Amino acid sequence: NAGVMQNPRHLVRRRGQEARLRCSPMKGHSHVYWYRQLPEEGLKFMVYLQKENIIDESGMPKERFSAEFPKEGPSILRIQQVVRGDSAAYFCASSPDRGATEAFFGQGTRLTVV
Amino acid sequence: QQPVQSPQAVILREGEDAVINCSSSKALYSVHWYRQKHGEAPVFLMILLKGGEQKGHEKISASFNEKKQQSSLYLTASQLSYSGTYFCGTGRSGSARQLTFGSGTQLTVLP
Repeated sequence: NAGVMQNPRHLVRRRGQEARLRCSPMKGHSHVYWYRQLPEEGLKFMVYLQKENIIDESGMPKERFSAEFPKEGPSILRIQQVVRGDSAAYFCASSPDRGATEAFFGQGTRLTVV
Repeated sequence: QQPVQSPQAVILREGEDAVINCSSSKALYSVHWYRQKHGEAPVFLMILLKGGEQKGHEKISASFNEKKQQSSLYLTASQLSYSGTYFCGTGRSGSARQLTFGSGTQLTVLP
């Protein structure tokens, strides 16, 4: 029973390039959350998606960042024109429904912008 | 607003006890505790809900003081496997969606 799968695990991008991070939730989970973790800091909520819908994007930067969770396929976090400050670990978590008390996290994608 | 965790770091020997605190300036509805080992995914430990209901597993316990808007995680007779960074997350409801996490407490258990 596979857990939350994120890929790639490590991603290096030059300033100005685009980064696409993928997250496949656990089987049967239709709710996905993205968090960002800067070095030595806690997890910061970015966006909450349900299949084909963005439920809450209050933690997303206003520009360059977008997220989707299509009917088929993984959830994608997209960062356009990356800057050095985007370097962080990005974690995805999933739950089976909106009332679930436990979120299952993936191992994260470590983005480095050079 | 981000909950405040204390201490930031703690080092103890196998078999010793530790307490990690999490406090918030906002009224708490639920507190979620996670542990993250270096380079790995955060793993759910326990949830505490307003009203005193508690869920969890393993040999780790926690308390939730609604008046003080504070939660404490108790690790007794610590094992080497307890090493990691512990995060508390506060929720607007009893669910795990849209959690606001503290900065973490780094726990190191030495043999």
